[in-house]
Amino acid sequence: GAGVSQSPSNKVTEKGKDVELRCDPISGHTALYWYRQSLGQGLEFLIYFQGNSAPDKSGLPSDRFSAERTGGSVSTLTIQRTQQEDSAVYLCASSLTGQNYEQYFGPGTRLTVT
Amino acid sequence: KQEVTQIPAALSVPEGENLVLNCSFTDSAIYNLQWFRQDPGKGLTSLLLIQSSQREQTSGRLNASLDKSSGRSTLYIAASQPGDSATYLCAALTGGGNKLTFGTGTQLKVEL
Repeated sequence: GAGVSQSPSNKVTEKGKDVELRCDPISGHTALYWYRQSLGQGLEFLIYFQGNSAPDKSGLPSDRFSAERTGGSVSTLTIQRTQQEDSAVYLCASSLTGQNYEQYFGPGTRLTVT
Repeated sequence: KQEVTQIPAALSVPEGENLVLNCSFTDSAIYNLQWFRQDPGKGLTSLLLIQSSQREQTSGRLNASLDKSSGRSTLYIAASQPGDSATYLCAALTGGGNKLTFGTGTQLKVEL
């Protein structure tokens, strides 16, 4: 079946602009995760959605970052007033419920803030 | 706070060699440990997942072990091939089972 998909694959934006990144998880996966991979910080957790529960936002670096998941499926990560340090690859993953299941990753969105 | 370290950072081996990649973590209260490979410019591909109650998992030429008490996991690759060249990442599931904490990766190059 189809894997996790993300769009766009690449995004170049000017400092101060808002951007939206999209993630389509694997059908039937109730858990969805966002991570960020940057040269200086490696791969770091941002936010986690599980069903209808309140999301775990503990990894979001600032209040400029937000995410939502509509209908328990598609998720959008929004970065407001982008800064150059936001430049990174944003990865989305999904899994079945619980800690016994692998997380499957999408190809990522490469964000460049100029 | 969980910290995950991988050694070595880079490794170059001739084709056919068996090799071991190392992963260590500071907090032994993990739910599971997952090994991934990442090809340049690509996302992560899951290789193996070891539950906290397990000692090892095998898939083809790959074998991963887990020793929670010492905070270590190893990925053994048998009979390496040039197609195995990639960055290998280990990640520990912690924080209530919500988040993976990743190591910095081992960049592997298998030469002909």
